[in-house]
Amino acid sequence: KQEVTQIPAALSVPEGENLVLNCSFTDSAIYNLQWFRQDPGKGLTSLLLIQSSQREQTSGRLNASLDKSSGRSTLYIAASQPGDSATYLCAVPPASNTGKLIFGQGTTLQVKP
Amino acid sequence: EPEVTQTPSHQVTQMGQEVILRCVPISNHLYFYWYRQILGQKVEFLVSFYNNEISEKSEIFDDQFSVERPDGSNFTLKIRSTKLEDSAMYFCASREWGQETQYFGPGTRLLVL
Repeated sequence: KQEVTQIPAALSVPEGENLVLNCSFTDSAIYNLQWFRQDPGKGLTSLLLIQSSQREQTSGRLNASLDKSSGRSTLYIAASQPGDSATYLCAVPPASNTGKLIFGQGTTLQVKP
Repeated sequence: EPEVTQTPSHQVTQMGQEVILRCVPISNHLYFYWYRQILGQKVEFLVSFYNNEISEKSEIFDDQFSVERPDGSNFTLKIRSTKLEDSAMYFCASREWGQETQYFGPGTRLLVL
């Protein structure tokens, strides 16, 4: 059964710092991995989807990498801003790729001005 | 940009009452999902729906739950007799055929008293 874990649970950094969020999964037979952002009391906004055949995917200041064999993904945020403060979730479909997503518990990021 | 919408944003109900949560997926999407997030916990998959039928459901999705696509635009989740433990944020998501990114709505916060 696929399990997704995110470390750390919370992170506080000063504005301008580069940072890395980690996501690990137990079953490496994934089709893709998706990173989401969740603001307090709000829905999930898709940030990046990285296919199993890709090593990384970039969008603006965000870069997601994927190492299937080790069961890990990282989300790199460059030059962090207070507006980046949110909870970041990673999610993978199960090996059967039925469409559902299995989520990690998230990393809550606070960027201090 | 098209987005998934959900109504109501908040609902308070008494234990044992029926509730219907409504979603309008993105118009050209064919795959629909419900997830829930109990406060402080992971986002959990409930059910997926395609071609007017349930394609997968989790163990949470018991006989108290049902889904329906009553017309060409709405997608509903019904909880027949709510329990205290049904209190959660409920998210609807949709996906386009041939694509893997799921787009989430803003959620309905359900409180069962």
